[in-house]
Amino acid sequence: EIVLTQSPGTLSLSPGERATLSCRASQSVSSYLAWYQQKPGQAPRLLIYGASSRATGIPDRFSGSGSGTDFTLTISRLEPEDFAVYYCQQYGSSPQTFGQGTRLEIK
Amino acid sequence: QVQLVQSGAEVKKPGASVKVSCKASGYTFTSYYMHWVRQAPGQGLEWMGRINPSGGSTDYAQNFQGRVTMTRDTSTSTVYMELSSLRSEDTAVYYCARQIYFDYWGQGTLVTVSS
Repeated sequence: EIVLTQSPGTLSLSPGERATLSCRASQSVSSYLAWYQQKPGQAPRLLIYGASSRATGIPDRFSGSGSGTDFTLTISRLEPEDFAVYYCQQYGSSPQTFGQGTRLEIK
Repeated sequence: QVQLVQSGAEVKKPGASVKVSCKASGYTFTSYYMHWVRQAPGQGLEWMGRINPSGGSTDYAQNFQGRVTMTRDTSTSTVYMELSSLRSEDTAVYYCARQIYFDYWGQGTLVTVSS
């Protein structure tokens, strides 16, 4: 199965700063990669699919890039509600797999 | 609007089975695969498998082969996930989620396995 490795494990930033989260796949997933945001006690929320397409209703401060094995989620200017855990997921190969998550915390 | 509404929390003893439901509304039920994902306390997300509501075909993650069964009822737009031979490590929140990249999620069902 394809292993997704997210880095860093924890990212400490302040509101207004730029966040860059990484997801690396153990083999190519083409562009079949999604990003999710999860807040405590809530289900994950889809942010990005197809590596770079924003889901419905997602603000344009969220952007995704990459293909093959290296992917990036960028949040251009952090808002207070953006502090959460972020997961990447590949759906190009069965079984679908998730990264272990990046916790984005307020500095 | 699309909604996935799951059944309520369950407490089960080791060795028992649990069946969780997920009722879909707001879209054509048979047009999208439904997936199940679980999350143990404080842990990450784990894909369990999927069902095609149109024909009922299933695809299970190897970790759950032989213990999980996914079914659907097209008359009520509901999918079910049954997990048998429960052990303490199965304590988790179980989610249903629509289509290959999970654009809509249920609210989650906490299953606690404890003697």
